[in-house]
Amino acid sequence: DQQVKQNSPSLSVQEGRISILNCDYTNSMFDYFLWYKKYPAEGPTFLISISSIKDKNEDGRFTVFLNKSAKHLSLHIVPSQPGDSAVYFCAASAQSGYSTLTFGKGTMLLVSP
Amino acid sequence: NAGVTQTPKFRVLKTGQSMTLLCAQDMNHEYMYWYRQDPGMGLRLIHYSVGEGTTAKGEVPDGYNVSRLKKQNFLLGLESAAPSQTSVYFCASSYSPGDTEAFFGQGTRLTVV
Repeated sequence: DQQVKQNSPSLSVQEGRISILNCDYTNSMFDYFLWYKKYPAEGPTFLISISSIKDKNEDGRFTVFLNKSAKHLSLHIVPSQPGDSAVYFCAASAQSGYSTLTFGKGTMLLVSP
Repeated sequence: NAGVTQTPKFRVLKTGQSMTLLCAQDMNHEYMYWYRQDPGMGLRLIHYSVGEGTTAKGEVPDGYNVSRLKKQNFLLGLESAAPSQTSVYFCASSYSPGDTEAFFGQGTRLTVV
């Protein structure tokens, strides 16, 4: 039973446009969410996170939005750059329960010049 | 600062052979993890450790054993490798299990023939 779902395996965007990556979760105990970025032949690297007490967190070109009632979060990249082409993983944890991270299957983003 | 280092980076095993994957971190993290990544499956937690001398099962522990004899090292063992264990293995570490980012190694690509 998949608790963190990334329903789009891939996304193609033109350079300069907005990239929107989506993530849904089913476990209502999740209260901390993270996005990781992964290039081929490298390990995932942390990108941005958000706690359930917030509905938005911004870091430069990256913004994560959280809709708790819909159990949905999204990562916005504006403007998208070719170097953003990578696989993006959504992850969640139950912070209060000190649980480990549960990852989605990932979305491959391709930003074309 | 090396961060998280995995050894080896590549390995080919024959069915039934055994091997040990080594993970070393230099960030004094209490928590360490072993994940496997398979196409279309995202990152799945195999085993994890909340401190020196302790280990716990993750989502897909069968066929693997782990040990954390020293705080900085986390070993993943395959006693009798099977083709189903062909995967990319990632080690990670963090200060706490769910509310902070985890740092990943570069991965070990294991093929079992």
